[in-house]
Amino acid sequence: RKEVEQDPGPFNVPEGATVAFNCTYSNSASQSFFWYRQDCRKEPKLLMSVYSSGNEDGRFTAQLNRASQYISLLIRDSKLSDSATYLCVFNSGGYQKVTFGIGTKLQVIP
Amino acid sequence: EPEVTQTPSHQVTQMGQEVILRCVPISNHLYFYWYRQILGQKVEFLVSFYNNEISEKSEIFDDQFSVERPDGSNFTLKIRSTKLEDSAMYFCASGAGTTSYNEQFFGPGTRLTVL
Repeated sequence: RKEVEQDPGPFNVPEGATVAFNCTYSNSASQSFFWYRQDCRKEPKLLMSVYSSGNEDGRFTAQLNRASQYISLLIRDSKLSDSATYLCVFNSGGYQKVTFGIGTKLQVIP
Repeated sequence: EPEVTQTPSHQVTQMGQEVILRCVPISNHLYFYWYRQILGQKVEFLVSFYNNEISEKSEIFDDQFSVERPDGSNFTLKIRSTKLEDSAMYFCASGAGTTSYNEQFFGPGTRLTVL
């Protein structure tokens, strides 16, 4: 089983739609989880950390399910500017490397 | 807002040549990293650096690679003898080390093309 699995997409959604992505991880020792977004040929940018109790930042909601070993990202009221690749990222605690998923490509259509 | 910077943005080199990629991490950060991304593939960890020494490195980071923090601001990645398969985007990242989450912030990358 891969360390982290994401559906690469693409997810094509109309403006204003709600879209959700999941990401599963295999290492039960993983402790910190993040969603990054990456625009074409640009650097990954931190979107949000994922807390155990779930957290929300504006139109974005992140959830963690340790029992089933997945995290999710929900985007409400999609904007054209949300078009990007969303990267699932985790580390095993401390200040170690982070491990990236392949990313899920989102295309928001007018 | 402070950010990680990298130079050059694009480096073209001949196979077998040495290259040095430069990074200026965020000023009060303590943890530094290099990652790479081959076109169309996922971001891969190369090396982490803390307290003036390597704390972790991947299988990719072989004897051809080295890192250095020559002064208080720069963090460099050297590839001694480049191969065609070293062609990739190289990202530097830094982390403050002040939270248990260790959010990492990435620079804009250096695109390395080996001919």
